[in-house]
Amino acid sequence: GNSVTQMEGPVTLSEEAFLTINCTYTATGYPSLFWYVQYPGEGLQLLLKATKADDKGSNKGFEATYRKETTSFHLEKGSVQVSDSAVYFCALSGSSGGSYIPTFGRGTSLIVHP
Amino acid sequence: GAGVSQSPRYKVAKRGQDVALRCDPISGHVSLFWYQQALGQGPEFLTYFQNEAQLDKSGLPSDRFFAERPEGSVSTLKIQRTQQEDSAVYLCASSNRDSSYNEQFFGPGTRLTVL
Repeated sequence: GNSVTQMEGPVTLSEEAFLTINCTYTATGYPSLFWYVQYPGEGLQLLLKATKADDKGSNKGFEATYRKETTSFHLEKGSVQVSDSAVYFCALSGSSGGSYIPTFGRGTSLIVHP
Repeated sequence: GAGVSQSPRYKVAKRGQDVALRCDPISGHVSLFWYQQALGQGPEFLTYFQNEAQLDKSGLPSDRFFAERPEGSVSTLKIQRTQQEDSAVYLCASSNRDSSYNEQFFGPGTRLTVL
């Protein structure tokens, strides 16, 4: 079956540091890949997505590239802010058989200190 | 409102009680999903509706869980004879099409605690 593996958190950084949150996946076919963010007390929000190999999703300074050869979709940001503190979820859907059911990783908590 | 809303936001139930959790999706959204999120975990799929039709309920953990969406808009997730292991956050999400490419819009969730 499908699975998504994210790096363990929490990730603790100082403001303006470089961020990488690793995500690898297992799926048949060619799934779409997503990063969702969950701020405290709120629902998950789509941060970015990529629908085919080598696509780069980007939003709010965050980027992730769909790497089929390494089955990865690592999230990066060049300079984090305190307001980026949240939980980040990597997810996939649409693998072989056209499954619309998303599979989520466990989430990685990011804490950014001033 | 413009987003997905869920009620109640918090629910405490005694073991054995029945509970009903409500989801109001974004108006016009065809697809509606329910998820269960345990502490420190990602959302786990429970069930999926397209309009009023429940197309997939493969994620429901037992026959104590039941979901409906009778008019293709508001949905209710019911849990009968709650158990402690049912304690989790229950998330609802809607989408305007049935497509793996499409963004899902999530509600804030209902945190259920079973004592």
